[in-house]
Amino acid sequence: AQKITQTQPGMFVQEKEAVTLDCTYDTSDPSYGLFWYKQPSSGEMIFLIYQGSYDQQNATEGRYSLNFQKARKSANLVISASQLGDSAMYFCAMREGVPLSGGSYIPTFGRGTSLIVHP
Amino acid sequence: DVKVTQSSRYLVKRTGEKVFLECVQDMDHENMFWYRQDPGLGLRLIYFSYDVKMKEKGDIPEGYSVSREKKERFSLILESASTNQTSMYLCASRFQGEGGYTFGSGTRLTVV
Repeated sequence: AQKITQTQPGMFVQEKEAVTLDCTYDTSDPSYGLFWYKQPSSGEMIFLIYQGSYDQQNATEGRYSLNFQKARKSANLVISASQLGDSAMYFCAMREGVPLSGGSYIPTFGRGTSLIVHP
Repeated sequence: DVKVTQSSRYLVKRTGEKVFLECVQDMDHENMFWYRQDPGLGLRLIYFSYDVKMKEKGDIPEGYSVSREKKERFSLILESASTNQTSMYLCASRFQGEGGYTFGSGTRLTVV
C-alpha cells in the first residue's frame, strides 16, 4: 500500500482562483511530518510548506496553506489566488519514524500532481 | 542558504557506458540522497549515505552504485548504462524535521 497517495494526476485552474491539491497518507507512527514541494519545468524541487503531526493549527506560508485533517489522514495543499507561475508538478511527502544519525529522515513521496494555471 | 550542486543539467550517454553523476553540498551535512524521478512514479530512492564511506540501498538500487569519499560529495554511478535508466536524477541533502530536503537542480540523463 502506498504511504502517500495523490489521486489527481493533473489539475487545471483559472488564474486568480484557488485550487486544492489532494494528499492522503498512511502511518501508524504518532510523530510524523508532512511536506509539499513544487517542481517547475526547470526541474528544481522547491520546499513549500510543512505540517507536524502535533501542530494544532494548519500551516500557512503566504498563498499556500495546508488543510490538515488528522482523523482523515489528509494533508491537502490549498493555493489561493493562483498565478501563472504556479504551473508545476506538486509533490506531497511524509517523514516518520526515527532519524538517521546526522539528523535526516527518509521521507516517502507521492507520485505528484501536475497543476496548470490558465490565464 | 544550503547549496546542493549537481554537475550536469543534461547528459546524453550511450548504452553500456559508465556514467558518473556528481553531487556536492556545502553545509557539512552527514546525510545525502539520490533519487530517480519518472513521470507517474514520483521520486524513488536509489541510495543514501549517512556519512563518509557509509551507504545504504534505497528502494531501487539495481544497476546503480554510489561513492562517498568526502563528506561534501556523493556520486551516483551507472556501471553500464541502459536505456531504462533514462530519467531525471535528483540529489538531496539532509532531510530535516521541519525544513525538508535541500535538492539539487537535477540531471536529466538520456541513454541512447
